[in-house]
Amino acid sequence: GAVVSQHPSWVICKSGTSVKIECRSLDFQATTMFWYRQFPKQSLMLMATSNEGSKATYEQGVEKDKFLINHASLTLSTLTVTSAHPEDSSFYICSARPHGYYGYTFGSGTRLTVV
Amino acid sequence: GQQLNQSPQSMFIQEGEDVSMNCTSSSIFNTWLWYKQEPGEGPVLLIALYKAGELTSNGRLTAQFGITRKDSFLNISASIPSDVGIYFCAGLAGAQKLVFGQGTRLTINP
Repeated sequence: GAVVSQHPSWVICKSGTSVKIECRSLDFQATTMFWYRQFPKQSLMLMATSNEGSKATYEQGVEKDKFLINHASLTLSTLTVTSAHPEDSSFYICSARPHGYYGYTFGSGTRLTVV
Repeated sequence: GQQLNQSPQSMFIQEGEDVSMNCTSSSIFNTWLWYKQEPGEGPVLLIALYKAGELTSNGRLTAQFGITRKDSFLNISASIPSDVGIYFCAGLAGAQKLVFGQGTRLTINP
C-alpha cells in the first residue's frame, strides 16, 4: 500500500512550451502533496505544498506563476511548468503522506529536459 | 531555516564491509526518516524513527534516533552490491514539511 504514481517518467519539450506532471495517490487519499526539485548530485528541494481544494503554498524563491499547482481531488495533484526554459530542466518528484502513516511516500520522479 | 548536515558525502567500500552514516542538526526533530534513492527514481523509505533513543532495524540496516533529538545514524552491515545508491536522512519537526540532508553516495567495489 501507500503508492504514489507519477507521470510521465521523462519528458522533453521545446523552450517556451508548457509541461504538465501528474502525481496520484493510488490507494489512499492525500489532502496534501509535496513537490520537490532535484538537480544532479544534489538533495531534494521542496518547491511547494499542494493542498486539496485550496491554493498551493510555495517555498521562498519558487515562482508560483511559473510552477502552477492544481490539487483538484484527494488523489491527484498536477505541476505545470509554464514557458519552460533550459534552466528548468531537472528531476521533479512528488510525495504524499498516507493518514496514520509516518513515512512520506515518493513518486518515481519526472525527468524534464527543455531544449 | 532548518538544515541537516549529513556525512559522509560519499563512501567507497568493499563488498562485505559495514557502512555508517549520520545526520546532525541544530534543531530538534520529532521524526527521523532514512531514504535510499537509485538513479532516475524517487526516494524509497528504509527506516522511520519516532522517539528519542529509538533503535530500529530493517534487515541489515539499523538506525537510531539520537537522545538529543538533533541527530540520527544509519548503519548497513555486510554490504552487498545492491546497496549502491544515495542515502538521505530527513527530519520532521512538527509541520508537514520534511527537511533533507545532503545525501551520502555509496559505491561498492565487488
